[in-house]
Amino acid sequence: DTGVSQDPRHKITKRGQNVTFRCDPISEHNRLYWYRQTLGQGPEFLTYFQNEAQLEKSRLLSDRFSAERPKGSFSTLEIQRTEQGDSAMYLCASSRRDRSPGELFFGEGSRLTVL
Amino acid sequence: DAKTTQPPSMDCAEGRAANLPCNHSTISGNEYVYWYRQIHSQGPQYIIHGLKNNETNEMASLIITEDRKSSTLILPHATLRDTAVYYCIVRPGDAGNMLTFGGGTRLMVKP
Repeated sequence: DTGVSQDPRHKITKRGQNVTFRCDPISEHNRLYWYRQTLGQGPEFLTYFQNEAQLEKSRLLSDRFSAERPKGSFSTLEIQRTEQGDSAMYLCASSRRDRSPGELFFGEGSRLTVL
Repeated sequence: DAKTTQPPSMDCAEGRAANLPCNHSTISGNEYVYWYRQIHSQGPQYIIHGLKNNETNEMASLIITEDRKSSTLILPHATLRDTAVYYCIVRPGDAGNMLTFGGGTRLMVKP
């Protein structure tokens, strides 16, 4: 496995700007997840895709957040009109259909700082 | 989801076994116990999971009590690279796709 790849690793933006993060899961992993982690806390679930279908969304995913996985491969997470409270590490994970659904492979994350 | 309780921090001497406890007294019959760890500045890493039997893999052993109300993750010979936050998570086996991470235990392995 080449691992879950996330880009960019770091993003600094001003409040009100839009940002987009990309996640490339491990090939042949059909499940893809986005989590958010703030300093000192455990990761919090945001959303889940099975292939290209977004099957689950957390209440944390406000209207300013949108995630897509158009061809069932890579995924993007966009945050519109960023707020300082959006500053966090955004983690992507993927898993295989033939393994336990709780056995996730996480990427290194994309750290967002909103000034 | 059942909640878990873990000590916020633990120390372990290098080369010794690290025993990380987790309390999940409200666990349901179909809920699995998962363990992850997160080394500083990295994403979480899956370690092991189990339902009611003890499990072992190349990374660790998982001991679940007979009443399933608690479990212990054992790192048999801790190294400095095992310094991390360890998360114990319970998850339904048949529904839901999210893992609920708590605060975890910060394990410091000391030389």
